[in-house]
Amino acid sequence: GAGVSQSPRYKVAKRGQDVALRCDPISGHVSLFWYQQALGQGPEFLTYFQNEAQLDKSGLPSDRFFAERPEGSVSTLKIQRTQQEDSAVYLCASSPGRLGQLNSPLHFGNGTRLTVT
Amino acid sequence: AQSVTQLDSHVSVSEGTPVLLRCNYSSSYSPSLFWYVQHPNKGLQLLLKYTSAATLVKGINGFEAEFKKSETSFHLTKPSAHMSDAAEYFCVVSKHNAGGTSYGKLTFGQGTILTVHP
Repeated sequence: GAGVSQSPRYKVAKRGQDVALRCDPISGHVSLFWYQQALGQGPEFLTYFQNEAQLDKSGLPSDRFFAERPEGSVSTLKIQRTQQEDSAVYLCASSPGRLGQLNSPLHFGNGTRLTVT
Repeated sequence: AQSVTQLDSHVSVSEGTPVLLRCNYSSSYSPSLFWYVQHPNKGLQLLLKYTSAATLVKGINGFEAEFKKSETSFHLTKPSAHMSDAAEYFCVVSKHNAGGTSYGKLTFGQGTILTVHP
């Protein structure tokens, strides 16, 4: 079946522009995570959704970052007034389990590579 | 708090020789530990996971890892490297609930790039 799908695959933005990154999780998956992977680094947690509820946004680096999942399926990560330090690969992952019951592994998408010039 | 340290940023082996990728962890909870692999321009794929059952964990593609609490280590090994093993590998820790399930929020190491020479 289909895996986690992210779009666009690549995004180039000029500094100061707003961007929106989309994640289509595996159908029926309750949990959805966003991670940020800077060049040469491991992914870092940004935020977590359980269905439509954003239960943890402790990893969002600033108030320019905003994520939503209004119907409990597709999620969008929005970055306002992009800065060069926002350049990274943004990874989305989903799981059928709920927070605290995640015996199933996370399924990761291929990511969106954002370059801010 | 929890963290992982991957001791080598790059490892280079010849095809057919053993692979050892080193990882040390720090966790104030009983940890769940994972190894993920990332091929270029591909998503992260789970190789194996430890969640307090057997300390020797077998994964996909012939990889295995041993949880050593006394050494706070979770090294990844494979007896014989294949060219297709060339990728970046991440050691990952997650908070582990008393009920035996993973919290889910993952903390990644910095990654080890494995190069396999013919």
